[in-house]
Amino acid sequence: QQQVKQSPQSLIVQKGGISIINCAYENTAFDYFPWYQQFPGKGPALLIAIRPDVSEKKEGRFTISFNKSAKQFSLHIMDSQPGDSATYFCAASENYGQNFVFGPGTRLSVLP
Amino acid sequence: ETGVTQSPTHLIKTRGQQVTLRCSSQSGHNTVSWYQQALGQGPQFIFQYYREEENGRGNFPPRFSGLQFPNYSSELNVNALELDDSALYLCASRKLGSYEQYFGPGTRLTVT
Repeated sequence: QQQVKQSPQSLIVQKGGISIINCAYENTAFDYFPWYQQFPGKGPALLIAIRPDVSEKKEGRFTISFNKSAKQFSLHIMDSQPGDSATYFCAASENYGQNFVFGPGTRLSVLP
Repeated sequence: ETGVTQSPTHLIKTRGQQVTLRCSSQSGHNTVSWYQQALGQGPQFIFQYYREEENGRGNFPPRFSGLQFPNYSSELNVNALELDDSALYLCASRKLGSYEQYFGPGTRLTVT
């Protein structure tokens, strides 16, 4: 119940294309759903996050879609760029971060 | 850069030894969390500290312990090191009551 499932494991997209990564959770107490971007040798960096009271949040080329009834959320990267090539992690948390659970990650490669 | 620093960058230890990793939180952040990230996996929540006390813990044995100091710097101590403890150890800081946490670059621990 504490797991967050993430797919696909890896993703290859052409420059300018749309990258879509999906996550699913079971714990209905989760109330914060962030996405992190991690480059090799670096710590994860907060990209965008959503609370369950909204169904979509957009920041620049990055959009989170959230489906509370299905317990699923996804990250869409529009106009993908080679600089977006990194590993992306979804996560979920409850109780103001006392329990943070990460997905296994998606390695994104954007071809020039 | 997030303002969260960690030391050392890399560390090699022998099985059975003890190790101390250090983290300096971002200015204004009073809560620190520690994570273990095995190669190719998502970060796993170890524990969280607020006001120098542990107030959340993941599924890690007691040989993983921590300290938080009045200046909000912190330490992760691991006793009786095992080969499976080889991983990237990340700390993340945030303000209590905020979900947004910011990660340091991590310490790469290798146990031989």
